[in-house]
Amino acid sequence: SQQGEEDPQALSIQEGENATMNCSYKTSINNLQWYRQNSGRGLVHLILIRSNEREKHSGRLRVTLDTSKKSSSLLITASRAADTASYFCATDGGGGADGLTFGKGTHLIIQP
Amino acid sequence: KAGVTQTPRYLIKTRGQQVTLSCSPISGHRSVSWYQQTPGQGLQFLFEYFSETQRNKGNFPGRFSGRQFSNSRSEMNVSTLELGDSALYLCASSPDTTQSSIYGYTFGSGTRLTVV
Repeated sequence: SQQGEEDPQALSIQEGENATMNCSYKTSINNLQWYRQNSGRGLVHLILIRSNEREKHSGRLRVTLDTSKKSSSLLITASRAADTASYFCATDGGGGADGLTFGKGTHLIIQP
Repeated sequence: KAGVTQTPRYLIKTRGQQVTLSCSPISGHRSVSWYQQTPGQGLQFLFEYFSETQRNKGNFPGRFSGRQFSNSRSEMNVSTLELGDSALYLCASSPDTTQSSIYGYTFGSGTRLTVV
């Protein structure tokens, strides 16, 4: 079943602009992860934020987590054409044995 | 070091047949998970193996099975294929569940299965 729900489903912006994607989930989590997928290929792990963290940065990426609202956001600053991809949030309930629960993703298009 | 390797990349099978997909995790990784991705249902967890033991299974029928070998390589099998089994099957590896909770998972490029 899908837990994470990304918003928006699709986003088109100009190169150089910032892109923000949101994710909501339903149950308690151990951590929340963001992945990128290019053209139906494998997923690339971008960043992981634990349930006791509120914000995390990695290069041009910034992730926030609000466990009281069960939501997270991914900000990509100074977007590039190579950022065009689908972005998925995935929740980990803990222990890893139940696998990740993915949202349906946000398709991001960066216009040159 | 080499990434997660999935073979074959593409596969076309006929309804009723069975199929076996293979996944070689990153060297040293002992946890292998499988996911199914379809346009309608998105990414769904199939099962996870650790040290040759299946630790959990997602909500899929018994036609979906898997195993892990002593070298951590994993295979998944789908018997009596249905049209709805057409999907991208992704394999993910991690050193163990403690590490995956810190660093996340490394995914392979997937096997695209088409059932006709």
